[in-house]
Amino acid sequence: EDKVVQSPLSLVVHEGDTVTLNCSYEVTNFRSLLWYKQEKKAPTFLFMLTSSGIEKKSGRLSSILDKKELFSILNITATQTGDSAVYLCAVRWLNDKIIFGKGTRLHILP
Amino acid sequence: DTAVSQTPKYLVTQMGNDKSIKCEQNLGHDTMYWYKQDSKKFLKIMFSYNNKELIINETVPNRFSPKSPDKAHLNLHINSLELGDSAVYFCASSQRTGSEKLFFGSGTQLSVL
Repeated sequence: EDKVVQSPLSLVVHEGDTVTLNCSYEVTNFRSLLWYKQEKKAPTFLFMLTSSGIEKKSGRLSSILDKKELFSILNITATQTGDSAVYLCAVRWLNDKIIFGKGTRLHILP
Repeated sequence: DTAVSQTPKYLVTQMGNDKSIKCEQNLGHDTMYWYKQDSKKFLKIMFSYNNKELIINETVPNRFSPKSPDKAHLNLHINSLELGDSAVYFCASSQRTGSEKLFFGSGTQLSVL
């Protein structure tokens, strides 16, 4: 069964728009939630979230976790064509396994 | 210098063949992983090794056998390849078990004909 669910599965917006990507999870023994960006090849690490309500920020990207409602969002403001990628959400369990969602494919139109 | 390197980048082979993918990391990490990514980009863990010891072994056919000769290397051998094995296989490493930040290799695209 799906333990990490991302939505939407794909998204097309114009440059300059703001997007919000969603990730919900259903796990026992949650340790952390992770966001990765995958362009052509290897996923690259963006954020790790362990505490509710604390926003992590890196440039135009930001993310927040809600451990009560079991979800996280990734925001990208003033999108650029270079933001086009698959964004992967993952959750680490207490047994150290990292489970990935199916990703959101984001395409930014010039 | 590539932190996590895997070879080959592309592998095209016939059904029934046996093939290996090699992975090396020069980051001094203790833990290494194999992930499989299907055509829909779903990244699924297969195996995890910590300092040469197997710690995660997901429900993977026993045709897949990982081997870790030392903590910097984790190879994946696949026997009797099937069409459904076609995917991109990613090697990754992390500083230790429980370290969230995974460093991924660039992937091996396996096509089974």
